This record gives sequence, C-alpha cells and structure tokens, in this order.
Amino acid sequence: GNSVTQMEGPVTLSEEAFLTINCTYTATGYPSLFWYVQYPGEGLQLLLKATKADDKGSNKGFEATYRKETTSFHLEKGSVQVSDSAVYFCALSRGGSEKLVFGKGTKLTVNP
Amino acid sequence: EAGVAQSPRYKIIEKRQSVAFWCNPISGHATLYWYQQILGQGPKLLIQFQNNGVVDDSQLPKDRFSAERLKGVDSTLKIQPAKLEDSAVYLCASSFWSGGYNEQFFGPGTRLTVL
Repeated sequence: GNSVTQMEGPVTLSEEAFLTINCTYTATGYPSLFWYVQYPGEGLQLLLKATKADDKGSNKGFEATYRKETTSFHLEKGSVQVSDSAVYFCALSRGGSEKLVFGKGTKLTVNP
Repeated sequence: EAGVAQSPRYKIIEKRQSVAFWCNPISGHATLYWYQQILGQGPKLLIQFQNNGVVDDSQLPKDRFSAERLKGVDSTLKIQPAKLEDSAVYLCASSFWSGGYNEQFFGPGTRLTVL
C-alpha cells in the first residue's frame, strides 16, 4: 500500500540555521506529494506541493523537489526563524480528491 | 472566506460513553474528510464523503464509529461506545471537487480524551 516515512524528531535548531527534513514514500503509480505544517494550537496548513517528478514546490522560503528515482521529497529551508517552530508532515495523494496519506510528523523547534 | 468549522474543540469522556463531533466544511466544497490523529502520529483517514455519499470508509471501525452527511453539507462523526485508544484529535477537511488535484482545507480539530 501507499506509505510515507519521514525523519524522526524532534529537531532543534538555532535561528538562521539550515533545515532539512527527510521524507521518502512508497506508492503505486505517480502520486502527488505535499508538506503540511501544524503550528501550535492551529490546524494543518498546506505548505507546498509537487504533482509530478522533478517538480519543485516552494513557499515561505521552504522548498522540496519530487525525486522519483529516489522516491523522496525532502523539505529544506536555508535560514530558519523562530516562527518556523511547528510540526511538519509529509504526505502523498494519488490525486483528484483522493485521501492524503501522512507521515508521522517531525517537530521543529527554532531557538533565538 | 470562512474556513472549516469544527465543534467542540475539546471533549473529555469516560470509556464506554458516547460522543459526537460536528463539522461544517467550506461553502461549495463537495468532498468532506474525517481524519484521526493519534498523539505522535500523522492523521489517518476514517471516512470520505462526496456530497452525501461515502467514497471511502475502509479504515472506519464500523462497530463503534459512524458518520453521516445527510444534506451534503455539514457532517457528524459519532463514537459509541468509546475506548481508551480513541483518544486523539479528530480532524475534518474539505475540498472542492474538480479535475486535477483538489487541495484539502483542514479545520482546527476536536481533541478527545477518553478516561
């Protein structure tokens, strides 16, 4: 079946550090890939997405590239801020209105 | 544009009691999803509606969980009777139905604690 494996947390960084959160997937066909973010006390928000191989999703300084050859969709940001502290979820969908399959989430804490 | 509304935000019950959660999706969104998020895990789909019909309920524990979306708008998820392992955040999401990918918008969730 379809599944997502993401880097275990928690991750603690200093402000302006480089961030990588690893995500790999197993899926039949060609899924769409997503990163969702959950800020403390808030609901899940879509951070970025990529719908086909080699697509790069980007938003708020975060980037992730859909790598079909390595079945990966790693999240990166060049310089994190305290306000980026949140839980990040990698997810996939077979497209259309298909359900999302989520990884376990990675908690990021950024210290000033 | 108003987001997905859920109530209550928090609920504490004893095991074997019943509980119900309510969700009002974004206006015009035909697809509605209920996810269960257990602490330390990612959300897992319980049931998906397209208008008032069920598309996917393969992971819904049907002996105790039920859901309905009678008029194709708001939805109710019920647990009867609750077990300790049902303690989780219950998330409702909705999406507009069209070709291609349809972004899911999530509500704030209902945090259930079963004692």
